[in-house]
Amino acid sequence: SQTIHQWPATLVQPVGSPLSLECTVEGTSNPNLYWYRQAAGRGLQLLFYSVGIGQISSEVPQNLSASRPQDRQFILSSKKLLLSDSGFYLCAWGGSGLPVWNEQFFGPGTRLTVL
Amino acid sequence: KQEVTQIPAALSVPEGENLVLNCSFTDSAIYNLQWFRQDPGKGLTSLLLIQSSQREQTSGRLNASLDKSSGRSTLYIAASQPGDSATYLCAVSTNNNNDMRFGAGTRLTVKP
Repeated sequence: SQTIHQWPATLVQPVGSPLSLECTVEGTSNPNLYWYRQAAGRGLQLLFYSVGIGQISSEVPQNLSASRPQDRQFILSSKKLLLSDSGFYLCAWGGSGLPVWNEQFFGPGTRLTVL
Repeated sequence: KQEVTQIPAALSVPEGENLVLNCSFTDSAIYNLQWFRQDPGKGLTSLLLIQSSQREQTSGRLNASLDKSSGRSTLYIAASQPGDSATYLCAVSTNNNNDMRFGAGTRLTVKP
């Protein structure tokens, strides 16, 4: 069966510090991978998705970037965090290749607080 | 751009009651619609996926319907239990936009 992991579970970082969140998937090959953010009082927002190694699509301009160095690894990064980057970050996987929008399965999330 | 609305924002019912959660979307050219459950501080759990060509999907006590022409989906929960208490989210992927849009969710409380 497929399993999706995220770490860390919680993170408190000062403004201006870098960020690296990691997501890995087990039990499937060449999965489509997604990063979402859920901010307080706002719905889930798609940040990035990837259909393969090195292939990243960004949905909104932001202070964040994503990378996919390995088939089942998806990393969310920032060089300098802003207060507005606080939120609950969720990684998901769903299907392989096209179409991009198959049934999605989510990880446990990372709670990021920027102070 | 696709907008997804969920009504009501919160719902409290006694155990055993049947209930309906609503999801509406503005662009009917959808690829699929997915219902999720989210417990506090946790990730999302997929409940049901309805493809654009389908009218409904069922899983246990859950039934989701889709009416593309009216831009609506409903999630029906039969014989509700306290363990059903959670936030329920619907998400819509659209053919024209390379995106998946979520509603703000309905927070359900089932009282014993």
